[in-house]
Amino acid sequence: QVLLQESGPGLVEPSETLSLTCTVSDASIKRYYWNWIRQSPGKGLEWLGFIYYNGSPKYNPSLKSRVTISLDTSKSQFFLNLTSVTAADTALYYCASSLQAGPHFGHYFTYWGQGNLVTVSS
Amino acid sequence: SYELTQPPSVSVSPGQTAKITCSGDALPKQYAYWYQQRPGQAPVLVIYKDNERPSGIPERFSGASSGTTVTLTISGVQAEDEADYYCQSADSTNTCMVFGGGTKLTVL
Repeated sequence: QVLLQESGPGLVEPSETLSLTCTVSDASIKRYYWNWIRQSPGKGLEWLGFIYYNGSPKYNPSLKSRVTISLDTSKSQFFLNLTSVTAADTALYYCASSLQAGPHFGHYFTYWGQGNLVTVSS
Repeated sequence: SYELTQPPSVSVSPGQTAKITCSGDALPKQYAYWYQQRPGQAPVLVIYKDNERPSGIPERFSGASSGTTVTLTISGVQAEDEADYYCQSADSTNTCMVFGGGTKLTVL
């Protein structure tokens, strides 16, 4: 069982950068890919991107210009930065681990944090 | 952008069988995965690679794939199965992970 915990501000002003941290419970940081997923009433679940300990991050093309995901293996933490936020970015942000189903196949999400609600408002 | 389509709601009586469908053009090429989300909780994986069940998931949950449609079946539905269910897959080029819009399962 891998435990994940999101942390970060609950309120971000429009045009600013949303920054979140996910702390992973054990030494599994090299076993999985590490993802950010958000959930808003208007758009349901939306995958933002993932990072692997020895690879380049991969992002949702619809957000690629605004999203950065990074990893600190020494602290078992990974991070989300989302720039130039608007009210449309208001959502519950989850961090999650994933595995790839096989070569040329997508990922599935094995463990999830409880989510960090972020509201974009002045 | 790629989309997965689910019915907004399904209702069944306890003990009956619930079937939730998910349609997408890339499903013949990509596996589907299913998640259960109870109110106020994070999603939980209940089916992976179309029809495999993670450890700890009851046997009444099963998955099937046929062409561009995948189906989650819950046999002998119990009150505790009332939740939102989301399918998930990847686009045909494996560029993006995508979720369906979700189906609210109501146990009457």
